[in-house]
Amino acid sequence: GDSVTQMEGPVTLSEEAFLTINCTYTATGYPSLFWYVQYPGEGLQLLLKATKADDKGSNKGFEATYRKETTSFHLEKGSVQVSDSAVYFCALSVSGGSQGNLIFGKGTKLSVKP
Amino acid sequence: DADVTQTPRNRITKTGKRIMLECSQTKGHDRMYWYRQDPGLGLRLIYYSFDVKDINKGEISDGYSVSRQAQAKFSLSLESAIPNQTALYFCATSDPPTDTQYFGPGTRLTVL
Repeated sequence: GDSVTQMEGPVTLSEEAFLTINCTYTATGYPSLFWYVQYPGEGLQLLLKATKADDKGSNKGFEATYRKETTSFHLEKGSVQVSDSAVYFCALSVSGGSQGNLIFGKGTKLSVKP
Repeated sequence: DADVTQTPRNRITKTGKRIMLECSQTKGHDRMYWYRQDPGLGLRLIYYSFDVKDINKGEISDGYSVSRQAQAKFSLSLESAIPNQTALYFCATSDPPTDTQYFGPGTRLTVL
């Protein structure tokens, strides 16, 4: 079945460091790919998404490129801030699928130190 | 005002009790979902509904039931709560074809 695997955390970085959170997927159809972010004590918010191969999603300095050949959607940011501390979830949705729901990775907790 | 609201935000209950978690949305979306979040496990789908008359089981529906009272309201019930249902519960909505889901703030449930 469809699944998402993302790197386990926690990840601890210093402010202004480069961030990569790896995400790979398995899907039988043509998925849309998402990164959601969960700040402490809050629900999930959409960070960025890509709907087809080679698309790049970007938001708030974060980027991820839909790589069909490597079935990956790695999240990157060039210079993290303390305010980026959160849990990040990679997810996929198979358009036209019977459920239409999201399949999530287990989440990666990021802590950014001043 | 928030587009997706959940009540209560926190709930402590005892084993064997029946409880209901409520979700309301003002986004006008037809699709609504209930997820459960456990540490280290990500989010898992409990039930989903594509419209008022269409309700479907998700990955982990045992021990749960739902009611879609209106397009804007989707309630989750635990018929007889047990301690391993202690978790954070999220409601979400979506509107195809974007597939993007919008989440409520969550309900933290503790079953003693």
